Amino acid sequence: KQEVTQIPAALSVPEGENLVLNCSFTDSAIYNLQWFRQDPGKGLTSLLLIQSSQREQTSGRLNASLDKSSGRSTLYIAASQPGDSATYLCAVKSAGGTSYGKLTFGQGTILTVHP
Amino acid sequence: DAMVIQNPRYQVTQFGKPVTLSCSQTLNHNVMYWYQQKSSQAPKLLFHYYDKDFNNEADTPDNFQSRRPNTSFCFLDIRSPGLGDAAMYLCATSRGSYQPQHFGDGTRLSIL
Repeated sequence: KQEVTQIPAALSVPEGENLVLNCSFTDSAIYNLQWFRQDPGKGLTSLLLIQSSQREQTSGRLNASLDKSSGRSTLYIAASQPGDSATYLCAVKSAGGTSYGKLTFGQGTILTVHP
Repeated sequence: DAMVIQNPRYQVTQFGKPVTLSCSQTLNHNVMYWYQQKSSQAPKLLFHYYDKDFNNEADTPDNFQSRRPNTSFCFLDIRSPGLGDAAMYLCATSRGSYQPQHFGDGTRLSIL
């Protein structure tokens, strides 16, 4: 069964810092990995999706990398802003095992960027 | 804008009183999902429809049912809500099983 872990659970940084959120997964048989943002009381907004054959994806100040063989992904946020404050969730779409075809989420990293 | 819309945003019901949550989409995606997310936890898949085919997760309680009358709409029915069913319920859609999932804003369900 696929398991996804995110570290750290919470992160507080001053505005302007570059930061890295980490995601690891136990089964490397995946179709893709998706990073989401969730604001309090809201649904999930998709930030980046990396297919299993890709190494990274970029969107604006966000860059996500994928090392499928080691079961790791990182989300890099450049020049953080208070508006980036939210919970960031990592999710993998499994390609095998009992989690086949399912999207398995990590618990999320709660990010606070203070002015 | 094409989107996933969930109604209502907040729903309060009484213990044991049936409740229905709704989801509609203008993306014309063939797959629709329902997730349950409890406070400070990861979303948990309850079931999904691939076209008209219903796929229930093994650990989804029998109390939870779903209907998809057409491509655009999907409903989550909770037959006899218990206090443990209080949560955010998220609807998502995708084009096929391996494309990105697009989420609605969720319905927060409270049980009195």
